[in-house]
Amino acid sequence: DVKVTQSSRYLVKRTGEKVFLECVQDMDHENMFWYRQDPGLGLRLIYFSYDVKMKEKGDIPEGYSVSREKKERFSLILESASTNQTSMYLCASRPPGLAYEQYFGPGTRLTVT
Amino acid sequence: AQKITQTQPGMFVQEKEAVTLDCTYDTSDPSYGLFWYKQPSSGEMIFLIYQGSYDQQNATEGRYSLNFQKARKSANLVISASQLGDSAMYFCAMRINTNAGKSTFGDGTTLTVKP
Repeated sequence: DVKVTQSSRYLVKRTGEKVFLECVQDMDHENMFWYRQDPGLGLRLIYFSYDVKMKEKGDIPEGYSVSREKKERFSLILESASTNQTSMYLCASRPPGLAYEQYFGPGTRLTVT
Repeated sequence: AQKITQTQPGMFVQEKEAVTLDCTYDTSDPSYGLFWYKQPSSGEMIFLIYQGSYDQQNATEGRYSLNFQKARKSANLVISASQLGDSAMYFCAMRINTNAGKSTFGDGTTLTVKP
């Protein structure tokens, strides 16, 4: 069974703090993704990575950065958290190729106060 | 740019009846994949079904089938014999055929199954 884990289910941070969200997958997938999910807006892609040390901006990268030093781990960084970054954050991974579905982690609900 | 439209924010269905969740997509790429995911209230995203743009037949997985109409650019999910456990948010997604291709998701449809 593919497993994608995220470091926290719930996180509360203060405005201006640096926040790290960690994602680890155990199936040797090349591709990893970070999404945020807000009511009525579906899933929006923040960043993705198709190889170690490679990263690509998604649709809403502003205010975020990522790090992929090892194949199994993909970190999302909020350099200076703001209240409009309060959201559910979902990590996903998949092999390369069109027909493969994404495997999602359980999500991190981040609240910035 | 790719776009997915789910026009039904919420749907209700009686237990044991069939329900269709709508999804239309827009892309100029001839090679793409369409996916449906389920997200129960617990939050995890569960893959349901996949349809490739060159697949001749509609995809089926148990009680789930995908009504793929390429000319109309629609990929509706049909759930037969609804169960109470089918109550969830459902997302339609599309990916074009590049190796690192990102997926585009719709806004989702909340399905409530009534006993």
